[in-house]
Amino acid sequence: DAGITQSPRHKVTETGTPVTLRCHQTENHRYMYWYRQDPGHGLRLIHYSYGVKDTDKGEVSDGYSVSRSKTEDFLLTLESATSSQTSVYFCAITEWSTDTQYFGPGTRLTVL
Amino acid sequence: DAKTTQPNSMESNEEEPVHLPCNHSTISGTDYIHWYRQLPSQGPEYVIHGLTSNVNNRMASLAIAEDRKSSTLILHRATLRDAAVYYCILSVSNTGNQFYFGTGTSLTVIP
Repeated sequence: DAGITQSPRHKVTETGTPVTLRCHQTENHRYMYWYRQDPGHGLRLIHYSYGVKDTDKGEVSDGYSVSRSKTEDFLLTLESATSSQTSVYFCAITEWSTDTQYFGPGTRLTVL
Repeated sequence: DAKTTQPNSMESNEEEPVHLPCNHSTISGTDYIHWYRQLPSQGPEYVIHGLTSNVNNRMASLAIAEDRKSSTLILHRATLRDAAVYYCILSVSNTGNQFYFGTGTSLTVIP
């Protein structure tokens, strides 16, 4: 599992509240990613990071921000959660020696 | 976007081979072809990947067309544990190895 953990694993919140999801990795990987997955759909990239303090947008970045102050942690923040952000969020890393992405267990977020 | 096209669903009998097709006509020379699968309530799991040549590992084989516009994931003997959604993905190396997922193929394995 490439040492990836996500917290929390489940969260229910109300519209308009801020939410932060955490991805933690233990193997010093440079690249980290946040995806969302909605029912009946594949994963869509929100943001990714290519190093400490280096981040870039993915295809569905509106309404989300990220931060990476340490190699091991990549945070995804919803400044003001909306019901359309109800989804399952997956974190991933790239193992460059094999050009392979490994995914965390996911966080199920419900915005009421 | 580096798009792929897969059938929405396929069925296979247990212990028979399964060939899962993928079209990727917009692939560029440096894009890798990856296959992942996803079981219910889990994150995607790496299956196999390749660039130009056919690849084999303990899970599956990947057959890549000579023009690289299509590929086929081959499960040699399907088991019930292989029932999952299979995603064919192109990784675009000059954009931080971004993955573009489609909707995948839902594989049903019939006992």
